[in-house]
Amino acid sequence: DAGVTQSPTHLIKTRGQQVTLRCSPKSGHDTVSWYQQALGQGPQFIFQYYEEEERQRGNFPDRFSGHQFPNYSSELNVNALLLGDSALYLCASSLERRGLAYGTQYFGPGTRLTVL
Amino acid sequence: AQRVTQPEKLLSVFKGAPVELKCNYSYSGSPELFWYVQYSRQRLQLLLRHISRESIKGFTADLNKGETSFHLKKPFAQEEDSAMYYCALTPHSGGSNYKLTFGKGTLLTVNP
Repeated sequence: DAGVTQSPTHLIKTRGQQVTLRCSPKSGHDTVSWYQQALGQGPQFIFQYYEEEERQRGNFPDRFSGHQFPNYSSELNVNALLLGDSALYLCASSLERRGLAYGTQYFGPGTRLTVL
Repeated sequence: AQRVTQPEKLLSVFKGAPVELKCNYSYSGSPELFWYVQYSRQRLQLLLRHISRESIKGFTADLNKGETSFHLKKPFAQEEDSAMYYCALTPHSGGSNYKLTFGKGTLLTVNP
């Protein structure tokens, strides 16, 4: 199991463009969360998807949207890119299940987005 | 609102010395606390969570609800412990996976 995978690794865009980032969860996981990590900061929660629905959302504008597919993989879309959107975008997967194993989020390596 | 504070951006100790990474939180309910670690060129990974009460790689952390703290401790630091450490919190949800709120992280350097 490769764990959580993300693509692409790096991306360079210009202001105003749109971007799509992709995430494949760890095998057996059904929940995907997205985080933004700016330089020198901890990861900040963007939103979480479960059963193909957005279940929770952090304090991010509507320019940030997502999708979860039937195979549990997910996409993060950002429209009208701003310079401030430059960051490392992390995907984390977990399993919705009661018991001690619940809540553990496994992170991918991230996608480094640079907006010029 | 949830908040996690890690007051030290950088922490430097010598090999064999005790280490304590501080974490304070604010949350009105009963949270679940985690420590995540990121070694150089590796992805963020879970180090420990307070409900499992485990000791991982010699690290322990005790949840102090009175002081709203969850400090990470190790009695004898090793060079391989050098990494970025993040404290994180999630609301106690009885089984669901809720969002993690992270602190800004502490970069630990263990010198030979």
